[in-house]
Amino acid sequence: NAGVTQTPKFRVLKTGQSMTLLCAQDMNHEYMYWYRQDPGMGLRLIHYSVGEGTTAKGEVPDGYNVSRLKKQNFLLGLESAAPSQTSVYFCASRGWNTEAFFGQGTRLTVV
Amino acid sequence: KQEVTQIPAALSVPEGENLVLNCSFTDSAIYNLQWFRQDPGKGLTSLLLIQSSQREQTSGRLNASLDKSSGRSTLYIAASQPGDSATYLCASLSGSARQLTFGSGTQLTVLP
Repeated sequence: NAGVTQTPKFRVLKTGQSMTLLCAQDMNHEYMYWYRQDPGMGLRLIHYSVGEGTTAKGEVPDGYNVSRLKKQNFLLGLESAAPSQTSVYFCASRGWNTEAFFGQGTRLTVV
Repeated sequence: KQEVTQIPAALSVPEGENLVLNCSFTDSAIYNLQWFRQDPGKGLTSLLLIQSSQREQTSGRLNASLDKSSGRSTLYIAASQPGDSATYLCASLSGSARQLTFGSGTQLTVLP
């Protein structure tokens, strides 16, 4: 009964390094999302996907790239990390008109 | 662009009180509205989902209502307990891209 799983849970990066965050869901959901959550800013949508092989930009896409090569996985990449990308990142998935489920989050610090 | 507002930002009540959390949205053409709970340092846990055709949903001590015409939803918590202390967020599903738009949340503290 895994639901939505995010990997890793914590990470510290140096400025300029790259990394990939993995989101995996086992509910056969079409829609997947990446959000970032910052104090006082709420949840902001970075990128989303409406199905395998499709991605689209959200509210704050700059500095991030995504890929959805398999329906169950949605990857978020940071090519050159900046301190402004220090945040908690959440992945979510949902069906056509069903509940959205969230992962437990990835706490990323860029120094 | 959909905007979702939650008032108040913070609420403190004594144990046992019934309380209401508010959520308003600017675009009434929503597919559904969902309420979540977030504990400190944790992810979001889904509480209730109300489809656009529904007026309310209930789960245990929680009751959520939806009034699309006025752009409002409320989450009613009966007989509050200290374990209910958390941040409560609402999110609307709307638009051609079916995006989830979140409010900034209400931080609830239930005092023993």
